[in-house]
Amino acid sequence: AQSVAQPEDQVNVAEGNPLTVKCTYSVSGNPYLFWYVQYPNRGLQFLLKYITGDNLVKGSYGFEAEFNKSQTSFHLKKPSALVSDSALYFCAVRDAAGRRALTFGSGTRLQVQP
Amino acid sequence: NAGVTQTPKFQVLKTGQSMTLQCAQDMNHEYMSWYRQDPGMGLRLIHYSVGAGITDQGEVPNGYNVSRSTTEDFPLRLLSAAPSQTSVYFCASSQGTVSGANVLTFGAGSRLTVL
Repeated sequence: AQSVAQPEDQVNVAEGNPLTVKCTYSVSGNPYLFWYVQYPNRGLQFLLKYITGDNLVKGSYGFEAEFNKSQTSFHLKKPSALVSDSALYFCAVRDAAGRRALTFGSGTRLQVQP
Repeated sequence: NAGVTQTPKFQVLKTGQSMTLQCAQDMNHEYMSWYRQDPGMGLRLIHYSVGAGITDQGEVPNGYNVSRSTTEDFPLRLLSAAPSQTSVYFCASSQGTVSGANVLTFGAGSRLTVL
C-alpha cells in the first residue's frame, strides 16, 4: 500500500519569510514523490518531483523540496514567500516498483500575508 | 495546445439523474484518469485508462462508469446521481502508463452538485 500525509491543513506565513509545507509518505519500496499546486478555481499544476539522486529537488517558482529517506519526508520549501504563492498544495507519492496510480495527500492551504 | 479540456465546468443534477463529464486531451497521452476532490480528503482516484480500450478502477469507482474508445477522450458517466457525488471532478493525463514518474496534466475541473 502507499499513502501520504500532510499534517497541516493550513500554513500561514508573512511575505518575505521562509515557508515549509510538510509531507510524509509510506510506500513498500522506493518512492516517486511529487508536489502540485492548485490556485483558486484552477486545476492542479506540477511543481517538482523526486525520482532518484540529489535529495534536494528544485522546481518552479523558486520552490524546492528535500527528500529524507530515514524520516520518509518530502517537505516543500521556499526561502522567501510571496503573496502570490497563496494556494492549495498537494503532495503525492507512487511506489517506484509498483503499478499503482499516484496517491495524493489531503492538501495544505498556504496563506501568505502581506 | 489546449492540453486537457473538461466540460461542463458546472452542473446541477437531481438525485437519480444521469450525466456524462467530458474529458479530451490533445497531447497524445496514453494515460488518462479521473479524480474527485472533496474538502479535507484531497484527490481520490475514480477510474483510469492506460490506452484506448483499457480501463481500470481506482480508489472510489462505485457509481461511475468510464470508457476509452479513442486516445483523446475519456468520459466519466454518472449512472444515477446521488448527493454523495457532489464534488469537483478533475481529469488528468500523462505520457506512459499508470506507473513511473510521469507528470500529470490536469484539466480545469468540473463542479457537480447533486440535489
